[in-house]
Amino acid sequence: SQTIHQWPATLVQPVGSPLSLECTVEGTSNPNLYWYRQAAGRGLQLLFYSVGIGQISSEVPQNLSASRPQDRQFILSSKKLLLSDSGFYLCAWNSGGTGANVLTFGAGSRLTVL
Amino acid sequence: ELKVEQNPLFLSMQEGKNYTIYCNYSTTSDRLYWYRQDPGKSLESLFVLLSNGAVKQEGRLMASLDTKARLSTLHITAAVHDLSATYFCAARRSGSRGSTLGRLYFGRGTQLTVWP
Repeated sequence: SQTIHQWPATLVQPVGSPLSLECTVEGTSNPNLYWYRQAAGRGLQLLFYSVGIGQISSEVPQNLSASRPQDRQFILSSKKLLLSDSGFYLCAWNSGGTGANVLTFGAGSRLTVL
Repeated sequence: ELKVEQNPLFLSMQEGKNYTIYCNYSTTSDRLYWYRQDPGKSLESLFVLLSNGAVKQEGRLMASLDTKARLSTLHITAAVHDLSATYFCAARRSGSRGSTLGRLYFGRGTQLTVWP
């Protein structure tokens, strides 16, 4: 069966510090990968998505970047965090094709920028 | 952009009662999803609705889809405390392909509290 891992689960970072969140998927190949952000009391906003190694699409301009160095690895980064980057970051995956394409989420990484 | 609106945003109900959460979306969609989120946790998939008139049920939850009205509902029957959570609906734009298969537009969520 497929599993998705995210880490770290929680982190507190000062403004201006760098960020790296990692996500890996097991039990599947060629997954579509996504980074969503959930601000407090809000729905989810798509940040980045990727259909393959090195292929990244950005949904909104922002202080963050994403990379996909391996087929099942997706990384979210920032060189200098802003207060507004605080939130709950969720990695997700699905498979292609014409089926239900249910998006499966990781456990999330909760980021607080002080 | 596909806009998704849920109502109510907050729902407090007594155990044993029935209620419906509504999800409207602004443009054509070929997939409608319902997710559950417990406090501090990630999202868990509940239902995916693929076509007009689709109805799915799991326990005390039943989801339906009316694509002509651009409306999905999540009906709760005889609520119990364990159903307390935030429920999100999410729609996918028609014609999505490749990596946009997971490009979902989420509502703000309905925070459900069930009390004895």
